[in-house]
Amino acid sequence: DGGITQSPKYLFRKEGQNVTLSCEQNLNHDAMYWYRQDPGQGLRLIYYSQIVNDFQKGDIAEGYSVSREKKESFPLTVTSAQKNPTAFYLCASSKPGLAAKQFFGPGTRLTVL
Amino acid sequence: QKEVEQDPGPLSVPEGAIVSLNCTYSNSAFQYFMWYRQYSRKGPELLMYTYSSGNKEDGRFTAQVDKSSKYISLFIRDSQPSDSATYLCAMYSGGGADGLTFGKGTHLIIQP
Repeated sequence: DGGITQSPKYLFRKEGQNVTLSCEQNLNHDAMYWYRQDPGQGLRLIYYSQIVNDFQKGDIAEGYSVSREKKESFPLTVTSAQKNPTAFYLCASSKPGLAAKQFFGPGTRLTVL
Repeated sequence: QKEVEQDPGPLSVPEGAIVSLNCTYSNSAFQYFMWYRQYSRKGPELLMYTYSSGNKEDGRFTAQVDKSSKYISLFIRDSQPSDSATYLCAMYSGGGADGLTFGKGTHLIIQP
């Protein structure tokens, strides 16, 4: 089955640690995205990538970093510089020319202890 | 003024009722309008995808877009308890593979 997988489902981080969230897709989509969702809030864009080895900052990129070495993979690192990292993180992808039609993974819930 | 306004609810209706969910927006550049359904602790699922103004129907779901009023709606007919979820509207202006702009979501409860 084609789809987007995110791991882990739950992640706990101590203050001062960097953590990396995994996102993999087998939909053959070129574009991939990371969003953050806080309780009672809409999704906010962190980073996006249109093609391999290229990515752009979204609205709330501070304290995050990404890489896009493979078409299928778009990992997100939450660094210690992110002051309020506790949130639900969602990865999405879309076909070329259909950026409005984004499909989401199941999400990773990150909690800072 | 926020770009996309959506009443967070909760909206509680009896099973079988017609549900109306709405969003307003301020950015006239938006051309694509989507509705996502999100169950608790899950990723959003794309329900409806609409370009420009007009209506689109898919089974029990109908999406309406009125660009002149900057107002979009999602109607659910014959609502079922399984429709209980948070419904997010999303919008996109086009021109590149950047992100969608989301409303905060409306929490919908269908009472059996």
